[in-house]
Amino acid sequence: GAGVSQSPSNKVTEKGKDVELRCDPISGHTALYWYRQSLGQGLEFLIYFQGNSAPDKSGLPSDRFSAERTGGSVSTLTIQRTQQEDSAVYLCASSFGAAGVGTDTQYFGPGTRLTVL
Amino acid sequence: AQSVTQLDSHVSVSEGTPVLLRCNYSSSYSPSLFWYVQHPNKGLQLLLKYTSAATLVKGINGFEAEFKKSETSFHLTKPSAHMSDAAEYFCVVSMGTYKYIFGTGTRLKVLA
Repeated sequence: GAGVSQSPSNKVTEKGKDVELRCDPISGHTALYWYRQSLGQGLEFLIYFQGNSAPDKSGLPSDRFSAERTGGSVSTLTIQRTQQEDSAVYLCASSFGAAGVGTDTQYFGPGTRLTVL
Repeated sequence: AQSVTQLDSHVSVSEGTPVLLRCNYSSSYSPSLFWYVQHPNKGLQLLLKYTSAATLVKGINGFEAEFKKSETSFHLTKPSAHMSDAAEYFCVVSMGTYKYIFGTGTRLKVLA
């Protein structure tokens, strides 16, 4: 079946503009994760959804970042008033989200490369 | 707090020689541990995972890792490197929640 998809694959924007990044998880996966990958760094956890709920938003770097998930499926990560330090690859992953969520295999999308000029 | 350390940012091996990518973790409880691989311009893919069953875990493409609680390590090995193994490898720890902590990655280079 289809894997996790993300759009756009690349986004170049000007400082101060808002951007929306989209993630389509694997059908039937209840858990969805957003990460940020900066050059030379590991993956930084941003937010986790179980269904449409986000029990932990503490990974979001600032209040300029927000995310939502609708219908237990598609998720959108929004960055308002972008800054140059927001430049990174934003990765989305989904998993079955069963009771043992900490043992889940995460399936990753190809990422969105965001460049803020 | 849990954390994971990948001891080498870059590893170079010759094709046909063994691969060893090192990972140490810090955890107060029994963790789950994963290795993911990221090929250039591709998404991350699970290689293998440890979830408190057998301590020697076999994964895809001939990779394996051994969970050593006394050493708090989960090193990734492969007996014979192939050119297609060139990629970045991430060690990941989870405490049984949704928070997966990723290491900073090890870039593997395979020399012909």
